[in-house]
Amino acid sequence: DVKVTQSSRYLVKRTGEKVFLECVQDMDHENMFWYRQDPGLGLRLIYFSYDVKMKEKGDIPEGYSVSREKKERFSLILESASTNQTSMYLCASRPGDRGNSPLHFGNGTRLTVT
Amino acid sequence: AQSVTQLDSQVPVFEEAPVELRCNYSSSVSVYLFWYVQYPNQGLQLLLKYLSGSTLVESINGFEAEFNKSQTSFHLRKPSVHISDTAEYFCAVSAASYDKVIFGPGTSLSVIP
Repeated sequence: DVKVTQSSRYLVKRTGEKVFLECVQDMDHENMFWYRQDPGLGLRLIYFSYDVKMKEKGDIPEGYSVSREKKERFSLILESASTNQTSMYLCASRPGDRGNSPLHFGNGTRLTVT
Repeated sequence: AQSVTQLDSQVPVFEEAPVELRCNYSSSVSVYLFWYVQYPNQGLQLLLKYLSGSTLVESINGFEAEFNKSQTSFHLRKPSVHISDTAEYFCAVSAASYDKVIFGPGTSLSVIP
């Protein structure tokens, strides 16, 4: 079974802090994704990566950056956290086979910015 | 670019009644379609997927979805729901030519005893 692990289940940070959300997958998947989930808005894509050191902006990249130095790890960085970034963050991965494989999700990190 | 619409944000239904959750998409390229389910306090998991071939796709727990290319729809149905089907359901689209996956806003299904 594919396992996608997010390092923290809950995080509380202060406005202006730099925040790192870590995600690790154990199935050698090429593609990794970061979404945020908000009530009524569903899942919105922040960034995705199709290979090591490669990244693409999703629909809402403002205020975020990502890092993928190793194939199994994809980090989401909030350079200066703001209260409107309070949300559930979901990491996902899948093989890089042109779109027909489903995503495998981690359990999510609920981030609160005060 | 792709987009996904789920017109019903909340669907209450009595136990053992049928249900349909609607999903419409727009895309200028060929797509793959998915339904994911999120049970209370759990992560998202795949419910079913349409890749090609038969337009009717079934899952192991009694749900089915029908792909209609002319109406750009992928509605999810179940003939008789159970309490355990109470969850959030998300429709998603993935372009066949690259890797972005776009989700709809979700439909919250509440099954009433």
